[in-house]
Amino acid sequence: DAKTTQPNSMESNEEEPVHLPCNHSTISGTDYIHWYRQLPSQGPEYVIHGLTSNVNNRMASLAIAEDRKSSTLILHRATLRDAAVYYCILRDRNNQGGKLIFGQGTELSVKP
Amino acid sequence: NAGVMQNPRHLVRRRGQEARLRCSPMKGHSHVYWYRQLPEEGLKFMVYLQKENIIDESGMPKERFSAEFPKEGPSILRIQQVVRGDSAAYFCASSPGTGLLGGYTFGSGTRLTVV
Repeated sequence: DAKTTQPNSMESNEEEPVHLPCNHSTISGTDYIHWYRQLPSQGPEYVIHGLTSNVNNRMASLAIAEDRKSSTLILHRATLRDAAVYYCILRDRNNQGGKLIFGQGTELSVKP
Repeated sequence: NAGVMQNPRHLVRRRGQEARLRCSPMKGHSHVYWYRQLPEEGLKFMVYLQKENIIDESGMPKERFSAEFPKEGPSILRIQQVVRGDSAAYFCASSPGTGLLGGYTFGSGTRLTVV
């Protein structure tokens, strides 16, 4: 699977939107973009995924650049419970049962 | 519908003992993945199993570590003759396997401490 690059850490204020960037310049046409997060002392949790179009769900939105070389996870109103490490992962749709490879992720802190 | 169940949540072992970590996947999931997270580090893939088969063990240390996922019962990650460096959080995830590009479901982990 192709590699992703994320900032090591970001800060946000409570109830403000947060934009978490991810670069994946070597993405292939069959790679899906997945986001997971890991809250302190817990296992990772699936957040959202997409291929080309922007995606929304109850947790977040995913904005994908037109050339697909980058994407942004958007938390519309950050809460203290959103403080976590966020991981951007590429998955080849031809390898649907395969392992997830986690990078270092972005550690998001949320200030009250 | 229970999620991925891991037990025990915390495990303390003396150096040289064996550690057995259990993972019950979500109902209907036949694929299991084990990950290790050392203190202050990221998640490292260890092994991927389907029922009665090891599919990918590229992340498993060559010695002392083994994993199984029998036809009946939970998946087991076994660490023989534990050393202090094995102290870590071990996470299990499950998926239905092919045909799904959505999320994998992770358990809450087993925190192994070797004293």
